[in-house]
Amino acid sequence: EVQLVESGGGLVKPGGSLKLSCAASGFTFSDYYMYWVRQTPEKRLEWVATISDGGSYTYYPDSVKGRFTISRDNAKNNLYLQMSSLKSEDTAMYYCAREGLRRGVLGYWGQGTTLTVSS
Amino acid sequence: DIQMTQSPASLSVSVGETVTITCRASENIYSNLAWYQQKQGKSPQLLVYAATNLADGVPSRFSGSGSGTQYSLKINSLQSEDFGSYYCQHFWGTPYTFGGGTKLEIK
Repeated sequence: EVQLVESGGGLVKPGGSLKLSCAASGFTFSDYYMYWVRQTPEKRLEWVATISDGGSYTYYPDSVKGRFTISRDNAKNNLYLQMSSLKSEDTAMYYCAREGLRRGVLGYWGQGTTLTVSS
Repeated sequence: DIQMTQSPASLSVSVGETVTITCRASENIYSNLAWYQQKQGKSPQLLVYAATNLADGVPSRFSGSGSGTQYSLKINSLQSEDFGSYYCQHFWGTPYTFGGGTKLEIK
């Protein structure tokens, strides 16, 4: 059974940093592209980052480019999201997701971890 | 960026009814469209990918259709477990974007 368990969320002041983690199990982690997706308090879903199976390629939307860094440790089956220069608009539930049957399809999602950016 | 416009934003329906949700892309996405279901307090789950393909375990009362810029998700004979929110998402290159969601409520 595919399992994705996020951790590391919390309350951070604007301009601060935080690192999220996602522990994966139930599949060969190193075979799949992985994603971070967030859901705002208004329930809007936003793609945040993608990393290739080997970790060599990463992709971001303009809204987080230069502030967020996705990485992975295939030996530990862990996915990470390092976030810096945080803004109030980064407040959201952050989900990690495993690729589905097509590149860009989010086949499996974790339960999410909440980030609140507020002074 | 490709904009995804989903309608309606909400729908009040009864068990047993048939429902259709639509999603319009701001440009041709060549059937690179997915649908997700999200129940209250849970994470989204994949329903349909590549516009028409049901994900594993998804009941056959769900179906996806469309091409070009116009896509639909149809739910036949709505069951109680189908109530929640539905989102479309294109995967025709980055940035991937989602529709604003459709909330299905019990009438």
